Amino acid sequence: SYELIQPPSVSVSPGQTARLTCSGDALPKKYAYWYQQKSGQAPVLVIYEDNRRPSGIPERFSGSSSGTMATLTISGAQVEDEADYYCYSTDTSGNHRVFGGGTKVTVL
Amino acid sequence: QVQLVQSGAEVKKPGASVKVSCWASGYTFTSYAIHWVRQAPGQRLEWMGWINTGNGKTKYSQKFQVRVTITRDTSASTAYMELSSLRSEDTAVYYCARGDYDVLTGDCLPPHSWGQGTLVTVSS
Repeated sequence: SYELIQPPSVSVSPGQTARLTCSGDALPKKYAYWYQQKSGQAPVLVIYEDNRRPSGIPERFSGSSSGTMATLTISGAQVEDEADYYCYSTDTSGNHRVFGGGTKVTVL
Repeated sequence: QVQLVQSGAEVKKPGASVKVSCWASGYTFTSYAIHWVRQAPGQRLEWMGWINTGNGKTKYSQKFQVRVTITRDTSASTAYMELSSLRSEDTAVYYCARGDYDVLTGDCLPPHSWGQGTLVTVSS
């Protein structure tokens, strides 16, 4: 089965930049999506199609993808950005839709 | 305002089935697909399947294919997810989420608007 690999945790000081990675063999051909999930809440889509930001998502969230790695960047991280972040994509056939293991972002 | 409102928490015994509902409001129900995603305590999100709310066609994750059934009632703007042969590992929060259709392929794009989640506890 297909897997997306994310580092388990990232720590950043307020105002600094956090870069979260997501590795998958099909990412050169398939889009990555990123979800933010705060404790006890439902996920929120923050980036879609590698680098597009839904309305209402702050500009400090941006996405990119190169080769087998997609990256979510939080520029000028704020305390309220503390959350788990999950990437999502599919294998090359489109039949296996998977989430990565998630990265816990700590801002302190 | 788009809303997906899910049914309340459930406690089930091993071997039983559970059916979770997801009522949509604030948009035309059949214009968007509904995904189902679950999350066991402390674990990652896990995609289970989706339904084309217009024609009722479904697509399931291979992991759940044998045990899950996703249906919809267009007159009630409600989607349902039924999971059978429950075991303790199925204890999780189950989410419904809305997804756009891919106009080229008819497939369903990843979820964006999510329901509040329904906790299903499987315990003897």
